[in-house]
Amino acid sequence: EVQLVESGGGLVQPGGSLRLSCAASGFTLGNYDMNWVRQAPGKGLEWVSYISSRGRPIYYADSVKGRFTISRDNANNFLYLQMNSLRADDTAIYYCARDPAWGTGIDYWGQGTLVTVSS
Amino acid sequence: DIVMTQIPPSLSVTPGQPASISCKSTQSLLDSDGRTYLYWFLQKPGQPPQLLFYEVSNRFSGVPDRFSGSGSGTDFTLKISRVEAEDVGVYYCMQCLHVPRTFGQGTKLEIK
Repeated sequence: EVQLVESGGGLVQPGGSLRLSCAASGFTLGNYDMNWVRQAPGKGLEWVSYISSRGRPIYYADSVKGRFTISRDNANNFLYLQMNSLRADDTAIYYCARDPAWGTGIDYWGQGTLVTVSS
Repeated sequence: DIVMTQIPPSLSVTPGQPASISCKSTQSLLDSDGRTYLYWFLQKPGQPPQLLFYEVSNRFSGVPDRFSGSGSGTDFTLKISRVEAEDVGVYYCMQCLHVPRTFGQGTKLEIK
C-alpha cells in the first residue's frame, strides 16, 4: 500500500524557517518523481514544487522560488521541503504527492501537515 | 501560466440524479506525444485529494464507473451518472502539461 506521511509543520513567526519531511512507504521512492502541493485554509490547491526521481530537474512555483528548496533522500525514502523567509500567505496544509508510474501527473497524496505563519 | 476555469463553482444534486462539471484551460493540454495532461481529483471533507481520472478519461483504480471523464484540447467535463451521498466534496481539475502545474478553483458538490 502506497503511504506518504508528512511531518514538520507547526507555528512559525514571519521570516522564520521550517523543514517539512515526507516519509514514503509501500513503493520505492527512487523510482518516482515527487511534488509538494499546498492548500491555504478554506482555499483551493496550489502546486508548490516538483523534483524528478534522480533529483534533477527541479521546479518551483513563482510564489516560493528563492525561498523554498525541495530535496530527496532516496536511500531512506524521504522527501523534504526547506522553507525559509516564511510569510503569512504561506500558511497552508502542505501535501506530499507522487507522480504516477505512467508519466506526468499526481496519483497519491499524503494526509498533509499544517504550517501556520503568524506572530 | 495556464489558467484552469471550472464551472459551476458549486452544485447541489439530488441522490440518483446526474451531475456535470466543466473545466476549461487557456491553452491546449494536448502534448506532442499525443497525450492530454488533464487530471481530475475529488477532495472529500477533511481528507486529502484523491485521483479520479488521469489524462482526461482514464479512470483510476477503485473509482466507480458512474464517474466519467471526457474532452479534448481546452475543454473537459467530469460527469457523474447517478450521484450518491459519498460523492460530496470538492472536485478539482489540474493540468500538468506545463510548469507550473495549475488547478481549477474547485467545484463543491453537495447533496440535496
